[in-house]
Amino acid sequence: KAGVTQTPRYLIKTRGQQVTLSCSPISGHRSVSWYQQTPGQGLQFLFEYFSETQRNKGNFPGRFSGRQFSNSRSEMNVSTLELGDSALYLCASSLGNGNTIYFGEGSWLTVV
Amino acid sequence: GIQVEQSPPDLILQEGANSTLRCNFSDSVNNLQWFHQNPWGQLINLFYIPSGTKQNGRLSATTVATERYSLLYISSSQTTDSGVYFCAVTNNNDMRFGAGTRLTVKP
Repeated sequence: KAGVTQTPRYLIKTRGQQVTLSCSPISGHRSVSWYQQTPGQGLQFLFEYFSETQRNKGNFPGRFSGRQFSNSRSEMNVSTLELGDSALYLCASSLGNGNTIYFGEGSWLTVV
Repeated sequence: GIQVEQSPPDLILQEGANSTLRCNFSDSVNNLQWFHQNPWGQLINLFYIPSGTKQNGRLSATTVATERYSLLYISSSQTTDSGVYFCAVTNNNDMRFGAGTRLTVKP
């Protein structure tokens, strides 16, 4: 079956702009989680959605937000972009409740 | 929050050698996973192992939850094993990653 699909794969934005990233989970998976990976901070958990509800949230400012649709697809949005938001943004899906998570290939965001 | 420490941070091996990667965590966990990140950034799940031992081909993992550590064993390493290995633990829905072990396998 198809894996986790993230779009776009690469994008460049200017400081102050906003960006929306999309994630389509593996069919049947209801949990979608988002992560940020940077050389300085490593891998960090952003938030998790399950059945359209945000279940958990990491320690990120309110500029980072997300949502999940009824078909389990998810989007994350970053507003008022800062240079430090340049990162690989990873989405993962799972059946939820402690099951194995499967990652997409990520979206590489560069803020200039 | 829970602290996760991985060791060693870097490891260089000759092809065919064996290795052991360690993940220590500071509190009890609901689950623990090992991932391999290839040079293109793709993270692949290796093991979901909150406790006990599992094996998959040349790789195996053991988690001793009572002593708060997990080990990933790689036997007969191949150049394709190169990349970064992360462990990730979850405690009460709080998920934390270790900083990773960067493995380089030389031919």
